[in-house]
Amino acid sequence: DTGVSQNPRHKITKRGQNVTFRCDPISEHNRLYWYRQTLGQGPEFLTYFQNEAQLEKSRLLSDRFSAERPKGSFSTLEIQRTEQGDSAMYLCASSSTSGGDYNEQFFGPGTRLTVL
Amino acid sequence: ELKVEQNPLFLSMQEGKNYTIYCNYSTTSDRLYWYRQDPGKSLESLFVLLSNGAVKQEGRLMASLDTKARLSTLHITAAVHDLSATYFCAAPMEYGNKLVFGAGTILRVKS
Repeated sequence: DTGVSQNPRHKITKRGQNVTFRCDPISEHNRLYWYRQTLGQGPEFLTYFQNEAQLEKSRLLSDRFSAERPKGSFSTLEIQRTEQGDSAMYLCASSSTSGGDYNEQFFGPGTRLTVL
Repeated sequence: ELKVEQNPLFLSMQEGKNYTIYCNYSTTSDRLYWYRQDPGKSLESLFVLLSNGAVKQEGRLMASLDTKARLSTLHITAAVHDLSATYFCAAPMEYGNKLVFGAGTILRVKS
């Protein structure tokens, strides 16, 4: 297993369009997190899953955002009716609730979204 | 609400010098994470500090955790150019281990 992967790596879209990102976690990890990072800031939590259940959504996540993790494997993050303020790096991380370094999160390469 | 503050936010160092980055967090946590990020790249895990008094070292970097003071430090010894990057500390929220990150410290090592 080569770690967390994300696709696409870059996405340029026009305001008002819908976009979808995909995250494939480390295979044995049961938790999956989405974060958003804007330029010059640290990542901010958006939502997380334990297996297929979405357990929490940040208030940052407006109703234009939806995330799924069918079958507890990969996850998708969809943004509807994109706005320029959605431009950011979207990071996915996964972790395991068992093991020595409890819940250490491993991050994917990110998807950089630019909304024109 | 958990808040994480790092200082300094920008650090320009000469090669060979030592320096410390500080990370304060506002609520009780027994764990603290340090990550490195290169420009345009994702986050690379550096250290996981799991208990009070934990100290971990990797090369020229050493991290420590004082849960009573709610303080973690990242000490850089004899800096080299390759250490230039942005360093983030992060503390987990109590439920779900959601990470709250500091704003990051941009480190530039000058030769």
